[in-house]
Amino acid sequence: EAQVTQNPRYLITVTGKKLTVTCSQNMNHEYMSWYRQDPGLGLRQIYYSMNVEVTDKGDVPEGYKVSRKEKRNFPLILESPSPNQTSLYFCASSPQITGAVEAFFGQGTRLTVV
Amino acid sequence: LAKTTQPISMDSYEGQEVNITCSHNNIATNDYITWYQQFPSQGPRFIIQGYKTKVTNEVASLFIPADRKSSTLSLPRVSLSDTAVYYCLVYQYNTDKLIFGTGTRLQVFP
Repeated sequence: EAQVTQNPRYLITVTGKKLTVTCSQNMNHEYMSWYRQDPGLGLRQIYYSMNVEVTDKGDVPEGYKVSRKEKRNFPLILESPSPNQTSLYFCASSPQITGAVEAFFGQGTRLTVV
Repeated sequence: LAKTTQPISMDSYEGQEVNITCSHNNIATNDYITWYQQFPSQGPRFIIQGYKTKVTNEVASLFIPADRKSSTLSLPRVSLSDTAVYYCLVYQYNTDKLIFGTGTRLQVFP
């Protein structure tokens, strides 16, 4: 089954403790991205990747890192989480970004930083 | 940058047709218009996409006028299960970004 898998689904952590949210897709997609969703603000893009070893900042990259060492994986890293990073996070992938394209989203990771 | 504007919320009754309009005044020549549906605690799900005129699939229709500064998602005969948030977004060809708006919360009543 074609899917984007995020782990964990729920995470509570303390300020400053490094964490990684994993994202994996099994569709051989080139394009992957991370979004955060906050009430009243919709989905905002954090980082995206056009292909292996190619990443770029989205609209809200501060406090986040990503890596793309393999095509299927695109982890989101919070080196020193802060309470304002409490949010619902979504990973997405698509076969390409040019032209007509459908993006597939994971089920989300609800992160709480206390 | 092509930003989108949608109504914050809409109400409807089962069996009615629902039209949700999105404004995207700064859309560029090569940008595509895409609509997604999101249920609580789930990731957005692709509904339909178009470039101009009209596109129809098994769940919805998308109407795009000639100037492409707006688009309308049409859901025929909605049911309770169509209660969700609907996002209009524009793929920005020159920046390789998908720009989400704040979405329209559709509530369908029996």
